[in-house]
Amino acid sequence: GENVGLHLPTLSVQEGDNSIINCAYSNSASDYFIWYKQESGKGPQFIIDIRSNMDKRQGQRVTVLLNKTVKHLSLQIAATQPGDSAVYFCAENIRGNKLTFGTGTQLKVEL
Amino acid sequence: GAVVSQHPSWVICKSGTSVKIECRSLDFQATTMFWYRQFPKQSLMLMATSNEGSKATYEQGVEKDKFLINHASLTLSTLTVTSAHPEDSSFYICSARDSGRGLGYTFGSGTRLTVV
Repeated sequence: GENVGLHLPTLSVQEGDNSIINCAYSNSASDYFIWYKQESGKGPQFIIDIRSNMDKRQGQRVTVLLNKTVKHLSLQIAATQPGDSAVYFCAENIRGNKLTFGTGTQLKVEL
Repeated sequence: GAVVSQHPSWVICKSGTSVKIECRSLDFQATTMFWYRQFPKQSLMLMATSNEGSKATYEQGVEKDKFLINHASLTLSTLTVTSAHPEDSSFYICSARDSGRGLGYTFGSGTRLTVV
């Protein structure tokens, strides 16, 4: 089957710096993408989403960029805080059906 | 916002016994719920799609007779792990889609299953 993959399994950043987490997807038919944050022992928490008819969407301290040409998705976190430490997953969706998750990136914020 | 409650949060059972996990949508109706399994330091793998009033749709390689799914109402889906073995030990997570909010998916807090 097709997979959603991430380039970096672990990302370490200094507190206050910006973080960029990347995701490559392979299904060109995917039309909806979501970033989730998962803390240890908990379920995924919605961060931000984007539809395929957009290339950028901003939230509070987070921005998602979508490049359909190269099938790449990124999550930017501004002024990273210790509370941002978690595993981040991208997920793709086709026409409202099931979500397919990427492999995940562990974000570690160093004080 | 939409809330999904999953129970229990953790359970320890003996090999050969069955365990039931509940997933409830608290403030919305969910015609579709999803069950995932997650092993340590790995991603979420979809096990099955639970449809209210009909049979669940299982992903390839998931044993439907072992992982029984029931979605009898618009707010409740259950996953029963039958004849559990140690290799079934995992983190099980449910998700529900609030059809009233379009594509919104909300996840439960997960259930840590340990089979001894």
